[in-house]
Order: sequence, then structure tokens, then C-alpha cells
Amino acid sequence: AQSVTQLGSHVSVSEGALVLLRCNYSSSVPPYLFWYVQYPNQGLQLLLKYTSAATLVKGINGFEAEFKKSETSFHLTKPSAHMSDAAEYFCAVSASGAAGNKLTFGGGTRVLVKP
Amino acid sequence: NAGVTQTPKFQVLKTGQSMTLQCAQDMNHNSMYWYRQDPGMGLRLIYYSASEGTTDKGEVPNGYNVSRLNKREFSLRLESAAPSQTSVYFCASSEKGELGFGWETEAFFGQGTRLTVV
Repeated sequence: AQSVTQLGSHVSVSEGALVLLRCNYSSSVPPYLFWYVQYPNQGLQLLLKYTSAATLVKGINGFEAEFKKSETSFHLTKPSAHMSDAAEYFCAVSASGAAGNKLTFGGGTRVLVKP
Repeated sequence: NAGVTQTPKFQVLKTGQSMTLQCAQDMNHNSMYWYRQDPGMGLRLIYYSASEGTTDKGEVPNGYNVSRLNKREFSLRLESAAPSQTSVYFCASSEKGELGFGWETEAFFGQGTRLTVV
């Protein structure tokens, strides 16, 4: 079984400040990890993914995430928040051996960016 | 490029009514999925179809049925709607990755159907 925990359902940051969204996972096999973003009234789109290559993964819009196996974490960061980063962010895990894409999502973190 | 298209975008049903949510993708993907999104619970998989002609239950299948009509289309049916099925429903699709599964590749999502059951 696999699961994802996102710490903090809401995060408020000032424009220009660091964005840090926390994600911890559990998986019985080496996982693939994803961060998706959802803008208001839209579907989800992929920010970045970890697929057992480099542990530091760079995504779109200046986001990056680091896979730490010892901590079972995959935290998402962006050095300087922009107003357009206001959205909900979902961490997801998918494990090998499963037919079909059984992505398991965390509960989501809504980011508010203050001017 | 349309990607994944869902219809309708909004729907209000009375308890006990039935309806079908439609989903079509134009990316020639093999795998398609239906998720529901509820506040604080992320997205939960209802059903998925790894390839044309196959369907399988996800995490929360009770009260739903699906049909993989062809490679492009994957519909979700509520036979007798209940207030607990009030949610936002997302269809998604993905292609098999190099290892032959869909789980290692990006999922593309539709814009969602907001369903209210009263």
C-alpha cells in the first residue's frame, strides 16, 4: 500500500518569499513521485516528477523538489513566490508493479500569496 | 489541441436520479481514469481503464459504473445519485511509460465536472 501526507492544508507566503510545501510518502517499493498544481476551476497539471534518476528535480515555473529516501520526503520549493503561484498543490505517489496509473494523492496544500 | 474533455461542467441532480459523465481524450493514450475531489482529501480514484476493453475498481468505486467505449472515451455513470456523491469529478489519461505501465508517466486531466446532489 502507498500513501501520501502533505503537512499543512493552507500556506500563506509573501510575494518574493520562499515557498516550501512538505510531502511525506510511504511505499513498499521504490516510488515515483509527482507534484501537481491546480489553479482555480481547472484540472491538475504536472509541475515535476521524480522517477529514480536525479534526486533534485526541477519543474516548471521555477519549482523544484528533492527526493530524500531516508526521510521518505519529497518537499516542493520555490525561492521567490509570485502572485501567480496562488493555487492548490498536490503531492502524489505511484509505485512500480501496478497496472494502470494508480496515483495516490495527498490532501493538497492551498497556497496564498500576499502582496 | 483539446487534450482531455469532460462534459458537462456543472450538474445538479436530485437524490435517486441517474446520469453519465462523459470523457474523451485525443492524445491516443491507453490508460484513462476517473477521480473525485473532495476538500481536504485530495483526489481519490474511482475507476480506471488500463487499456481499451478493460476496467478496474479504484479506491472508492461504490455507487459508480464505468464504460470504456473505445480508446478515446471513458464514461462514468451514477445509477442512483446520493448526496454523498456531491463532488468534483476529474477524468484523466496517461500513456504507458518505458516499463509498460501507466503509473510512471504524466497524467493529463480534464477541467472537471462539479456535481451537486440534493
